[in-house]
Amino acid sequence: ILNVEQSPQSLHVQEGDSTNFTCSFPSSNFYALHWYRWETAKSPEALFVMTLNGDEKKKGRISATLNTKEGYSYLYIKGSQPEDSATYLCAENTDKLIFGTGTRLQVFP
Amino acid sequence: DTAVSQTPKYLVTQMGNDKSIKCEQNLGHDTMYWYKQDSKKFLKIMFSYNNKELIINETVPNRFSPKSPDKAHLNLHINSLELGDSAVYFCASSQGVGAGGYYEQYFGPGTRLTVT
Repeated sequence: ILNVEQSPQSLHVQEGDSTNFTCSFPSSNFYALHWYRWETAKSPEALFVMTLNGDEKKKGRISATLNTKEGYSYLYIKGSQPEDSATYLCAENTDKLIFGTGTRLQVFP
Repeated sequence: DTAVSQTPKYLVTQMGNDKSIKCEQNLGHDTMYWYKQDSKKFLKIMFSYNNKELIINETVPNRFSPKSPDKAHLNLHINSLELGDSAVYFCASSQGVGAGGYYEQYFGPGTRLTVT
């Protein structure tokens, strides 16, 4: 993997569903993996910064895991709510932040 | 009280003009950045300053010149604007040195630049 890639590109779920998406990154020269939440017409807001293989972080209903050996991170949202609708960006830090294109999540009531 | 602010929010100008975008952070962070959101919605780093010193300078036309009068401010000056410069430009800041590393970045609201 040469770039930071995120999948799926977009996701539509019903309120109450749990969901997850993937960030894949080149695993050489890794320093940290960032997750950001980006609502429409706002600016990106940090969710997590993870550095260690096996790291798991949690903030409310949102959690993330990190596998630096195979170069991926998962973001999970438990019991999605309409206010979770946003684009979720991951970024790998090598000597600078390289962002993926994001996963656009829409949660329908 | 806004943590990272940018002015103006919208900027419409003609080709060939020179314009500046200002950024201020009141978080006491040491490092500030400029990002460009391109047509494919990618956020790409342009510049990074740490304590008024340039530490990252990506492959950006030299028509773009960042200036940091103090560690709370990082302005972006663009000379001879071209159509392809139309984009949303985001300022950000973080603690610590380098490209953000272990520290989360705080983003400004963005400046939508339209070159006609």
